[in-house]
Amino acid sequence: AQSVTQPDIHITVSEGASLELRCNYSYGATPYLFWYVQSPGQGLQLLLKYFSGDTLVQGIKGFEAEFKRSQSSFNLRKPSVHWSDAAEYFCAVFLSGGYQKVTFGTGTKLQVIP
Amino acid sequence: NAGVTQTPKFRVLKTGQSMTLLCAQDMNHEYMYWYRQDPGMGLRLIHYSVGEGTTAKGEVPDGYNVSRLKKQNFLLGLESAAPSQTSVYFCASSYSSDAQPQHFGDGTRLSIL
Repeated sequence: AQSVTQPDIHITVSEGASLELRCNYSYGATPYLFWYVQSPGQGLQLLLKYFSGDTLVQGIKGFEAEFKRSQSSFNLRKPSVHWSDAAEYFCAVFLSGGYQKVTFGTGTKLQVIP
Repeated sequence: NAGVTQTPKFRVLKTGQSMTLLCAQDMNHEYMYWYRQDPGMGLRLIHYSVGEGTTAKGEVPDGYNVSRLKKQNFLLGLESAAPSQTSVYFCASSYSSDAQPQHFGDGTRLSIL
């Protein structure tokens, strides 16, 4: 069955430090990959997406993600975290030819300390 | 441009009561979805619709019904509420397929006593 794994439930980083959030998915023919962010009391907002082409994609708010087919990974990165980045982050995957629905990871909650 | 609007934002029900959650989108999207979000479980798909007049079951459909009589609206009904349905419910829409990004409402926090 199609699955998405976010191995880190909670991450704490200092403001100004770099960030990497991990996402792995089960094998599929053609993955469509997404990262969403959820601030408290709000819905999910799209940060970035990968459909094809360049495996390093840029998103909003200074985030980027790299698709690595050999590792079935789509990790989210930011060079310098701001206090306003504190939120929960969800990886999502759509695998054509598979389940035919988007599957969300369980989320990683990011805490930013001064 | 309001995007996806969910009503109500909060609701408390007693076990056995029924209610309907309303989702409205103004982006002319074909696909609409209802999810529930529970701690540590991410988002789980309840029901979805690929166009006006169509509905289909998702991952956790039991105890819920949906209707899509108008393209812009997607209703989620709880026939007889149970404490296990206490959750935060999110509606989402996408333009034309599951491979497109989804736009989310701000959620409905539902408590069943």
